[in-house]
Amino acid sequence: LAKTTQPISMDSYEGQEVNITCSHNNIATNDYITWYQQFPSQGPRFIIQGYKTKVTNEVASLFIPADRKSSTLSLPRVSLSDTAVYYCLVGYSSASKIIFGSGTRLSIRP
Amino acid sequence: NAGVTQTPKFQVLKTGQSMTLQCAQDMNHNSMYWYRQDPGMGLRLIYYSASEGTTDKGEVPNGYNVSRLNKREFSLRLESAAPSQTSVYFCASSFYEGGEGSPLHFGNGTRLTVT
Repeated sequence: LAKTTQPISMDSYEGQEVNITCSHNNIATNDYITWYQQFPSQGPRFIIQGYKTKVTNEVASLFIPADRKSSTLSLPRVSLSDTAVYYCLVGYSSASKIIFGSGTRLSIRP
Repeated sequence: NAGVTQTPKFQVLKTGQSMTLQCAQDMNHNSMYWYRQDPGMGLRLIYYSASEGTTDKGEVPNGYNVSRLNKREFSLRLESAAPSQTSVYFCASSFYEGGEGSPLHFGNGTRLTVT
């Protein structure tokens, strides 16, 4: 199973760009990298998924270097509503390999 | 389009009581999952159903049973509740068991307290 390591918490300010890095040294060839966002009292919500290089959608960008041993979620111009826990997941070849770690608790200040 | 619906939202049980958590999805997804989340922790997979008619154990299956009633519904049963099962339970679904373009869609959880 591909284990991930990400910071426990991060702080930033409104309007800033936030980058959350996830390490996954033993990622397998077929594994995808997926990020979820979770607000208090809600289930996680899918943000973005990628395999290599860069993926961008209306919410975030995901940067994956050539060796794929890490990835960076980039949130442009954050607002207070981006305060949440962010989970990095690696895998997806079967449900039993979908492992949620403790995530990164992101706090945005005015 | 409701997505993933879980009932009930809150439940308090006494030790030894039984109950069933209900989950339904209206996205025509093939795969469904049950997770538990303890305070300050990530989610742990209890059971999953890759497709209608199949169920498999996840990371923490002890003390639980599941039923994939049909393609839409996946229930989780606690036969004899214990205080260690106090947690928030999330149901999720995905179009396939895994792979590109098949992210998990979660319900808003059932908050269970066992006294």
